[in-house]
Amino acid sequence: AQSVTQPDIHITVSEGASLELRCNYSYGATPYLFWYVQSPGQGLQLLLKYFSGDTLVQGIKGFEAEFKRSQSSFNLRKPSVHWSDAAEYFCAVGAFSGGYNKLIFGAGTRLAVHP
Amino acid sequence: NAGVTQTPKFRVLKTGQSMTLLCAQDMNHEYMYWYRQDPGMGLRLIHYSVGEGTTAKGEVPDGYNVSRLKKQNFLLGLESAAPSQTSVYFCASSFALGTGDVLTFGAGSRLTVL
Repeated sequence: AQSVTQPDIHITVSEGASLELRCNYSYGATPYLFWYVQSPGQGLQLLLKYFSGDTLVQGIKGFEAEFKRSQSSFNLRKPSVHWSDAAEYFCAVGAFSGGYNKLIFGAGTRLAVHP
Repeated sequence: NAGVTQTPKFRVLKTGQSMTLLCAQDMNHEYMYWYRQDPGMGLRLIHYSVGEGTTAKGEVPDGYNVSRLKKQNFLLGLESAAPSQTSVYFCASSFALGTGDVLTFGAGSRLTVL
């Protein structure tokens, strides 16, 4: 069955430090992969997506993600975190499941940023 | 601003009461979705619609009904609320229904059932 695993529930980093959020997926076909961010009290905003081609994908707000088929991973990275990056981050895979196309979300990783 | 608007943003219900959440989008999207978000479980699809007048069940449809009488609106109803329906509900819409299509989300509606 298709699934998305985000191993880290909470991560705390210092402002200016680098960040990597992990995401592993299980999907038999070529996946469509997404990272969304949810700021407190807000809806989900798309950070970036991978469909095909270059495995390193650039997104908004200085984020990037790398698709590694051999590891079934799509980790999100940022070289220098800003206080405004504190939010919850969701990895998702687009899948055909149960007779329809849908997004399967991971449980999310909550990021805290220390000044 | 263009996008997806949900009303109300907050609601408290007693067990057994009914209510309707309204979702409106002004992007002329064909597809609309209702998700619920619970701690540690990500987002789970309740119902979705592939166009005006159509609805379909997602992965957790029990206890909910939906209607799409107008293309821009997607209503989520709870006929008899239960504490297990305490959650944050998100509406989303998309141009198409492919596995690679991007969803635009509303800001969410927090529902508490006592």
